[in-house]
Amino acid sequence: SQQGEEDPQALSIQEGENATMNCSYKTSINNLQWYRQNSGRGLVHLILIRSNEREKHSGRLRVTLDTSKKSSSLLITASRAADTASYFCATDRVDRGSTLGRLYFGRGTQLTVWP
Amino acid sequence: NAGVTQTPKFQVLKTGQSMTLQCAQDMNHEYMSWYRQDPGMGLRLIHYSVGAGITDQGEVPNGYNVSRSTTEDFPLRLLSAAPSQTSVYFCASRLVSGNTIYFGEGSWLTVV
Repeated sequence: SQQGEEDPQALSIQEGENATMNCSYKTSINNLQWYRQNSGRGLVHLILIRSNEREKHSGRLRVTLDTSKKSSSLLITASRAADTASYFCATDRVDRGSTLGRLYFGRGTQLTVWP
Repeated sequence: NAGVTQTPKFQVLKTGQSMTLQCAQDMNHEYMSWYRQDPGMGLRLIHYSVGAGITDQGEVPNGYNVSRSTTEDFPLRLLSAAPSQTSVYFCASRLVSGNTIYFGEGSWLTVV
């Protein structure tokens, strides 16, 4: 079953605007990751935030994590048409009886950035 | 490095046929996995492996078999294809000690 749930399912903005996507999850995690998927392609890792971190930056990306609310947000600043893609959060947790973390993906947010 | 390579890119099968999706990685990753992606469902884990000779089931393993005879290769076998297995399949790998997963480009499978 999915661990992460993204919100909104779809987001449409103009170039230059900021895009914010949210992710909620249900159980304790080791870390939370965001991936991007261009249409017809595989997923590409964007950024990882550990459970003991609250905020992380990478270029135009800003990720926050609130473990008390079991939620994360991904902010893309000054968006570009090339940012058009689906964005997925993935929670990394170790299941009972296992020693290796597994990633659980949400359903994704489809971001469209209009020129 | 080629990363994670999947073949074929597209495949159409008739119900009841069998086939193998190939996956190879050249990054010496111990952990390899297969996901399927369906509209509105995100990615769901089918099978995974933590090293040669070691495999385990994920969330949706029924109808699929895997084997891991080498570190590099992790083929996914559909034993008797069903229309419900129409999906996009992604192979992925990572270091056991790492966090980032590297994905292949996907295999589009249609079962008619």
